[in-house]
Amino acid sequence: RKEVEQDPGPFNVPEGATVAFNCTYSNSASQSFFWYRQDCRKEPKLLMSVYSSGNEDGRFTAQLNRASQYISLLIRDSKLSDSATYLCVVNRDSNYQLIWGAGTKLIIKP
Amino acid sequence: GAGVSQTPSNKVTEKGKYVELRCDPISGHTALYWYRQSLGQGPEFLIYFQGTGAADDSGLPNDRFFAVRPEGSVSTLKIQRTERGDSAVYLCASSLSGGEGNTQYFGPGTRLTVL
Repeated sequence: RKEVEQDPGPFNVPEGATVAFNCTYSNSASQSFFWYRQDCRKEPKLLMSVYSSGNEDGRFTAQLNRASQYISLLIRDSKLSDSATYLCVVNRDSNYQLIWGAGTKLIIKP
Repeated sequence: GAGVSQTPSNKVTEKGKYVELRCDPISGHTALYWYRQSLGQGPEFLIYFQGTGAADDSGLPNDRFFAVRPEGSVSTLKIQRTERGDSAVYLCASSLSGGEGNTQYFGPGTRLTVL
């Protein structure tokens, strides 16, 4: 079993719709959680950190469920420019080492 | 300010050759990381530097891979006797320190192709 698992997609979503991704992780000692966005043939860029209480940044909302060991990302009012691969990232054993999911590909259609 | 830079952006080499990949982190960042990303996968951790020393090299796949950061800034990832399976995008990231939760900023990567 992979340490961080994501549905690879692709998710094909009409512009303006709401879309949600989940990610599960296996290491219960993990303390830091992130969503990164990666455009085709580009480097990953931090989208948002995920806090225990959940957090929101504009159209993006991230949630953490420690009991079930999953993280979610919700995108509201999706834009064409949201098309990308979204990578779920978890640190290993409370340290700097980041463990990455394989990513979920999102395609927003006009 | 300037972000993380990596050179070359693309490198094509033949099986068995030696390659060096360079990373220039964000100025003032003490922590530097190398990752490898294969098609359709997330980045895979290779090595972490705190200052000049390799604090964790547990992700290096074998002894053909080596990395240095002699002055605590620029780092070079060295691959000896390259194999076709080494083909991937090699990403470098830096963070202000190596502490938990420190945001890692990535460079554009070096796309290595071993023929």
